[in-house]
Amino acid sequence: GAVVSQHPSRVICKSGTSVKIECRSLDFQATTMFWYRQFPKQSLMLMATSNEGSKATYEQGVEKDKFLINHASLTLSTLTVTSAHPEDSSFYICSARISRTGLAKNIQYFGAGTRLSVL
Amino acid sequence: EDQVTQSPEALRLQEGESSSLNCSYTVSGLRGLFWYRQDPGKGPEFLFTLYSAGEEKEKERLKATLTKKESFLHITAPKPEDSATYLCAVQVNYGGATNKLIFGTGTLLAVQP
Repeated sequence: GAVVSQHPSRVICKSGTSVKIECRSLDFQATTMFWYRQFPKQSLMLMATSNEGSKATYEQGVEKDKFLINHASLTLSTLTVTSAHPEDSSFYICSARISRTGLAKNIQYFGAGTRLSVL
Repeated sequence: EDQVTQSPEALRLQEGESSSLNCSYTVSGLRGLFWYRQDPGKGPEFLFTLYSAGEEKEKERLKATLTKKESFLHITAPKPEDSATYLCAVQVNYGGATNKLIFGTGTLLAVQP
């Protein structure tokens, strides 16, 4: 249980194009999903928090117009990197938190990540 | 400022050589401490969550413990397949319904046969 699917696993695109990354919770409902970015040999940095049906909350320094997040349902959140540039190349990882009462609701389950390379 | 520090940065063990990884934290409003395992090019895999000092959790060769200032991940008789980066994260309540995870930089564990 608690499987989070992220697609695509890898994408290579030209500078200026937009890329959409999907994050799905396969066997549970997630009221909250998170988007992280990870640089080589560094830890995960939270980019934004998305709650189903409402606008995402972005961390300081993250451009909301460049990283568009949509959380249309309890099982799907998308991250769109708009007008991607080489400096946006990174490993993007989503996570989902189970909609459940009690302590179990605090656990975040992660997708496998998306390696974005912008040429 | 909320902070999570993991040590050592890297650890090389012989198969069967037990050791411990450390995660120290200074945060306000701790809601929980989490251990994840991350393989190269993959997302983190959930291992344990600890909520109060004195709590312990075990899974196969791994055992996690928690005090008010730090957590240890003990690895007993490790095998090569235990090689991975182990991430520690604390969940902090900044108010409202959303609790964030603050990650440490991880410990890269290599277990040699």
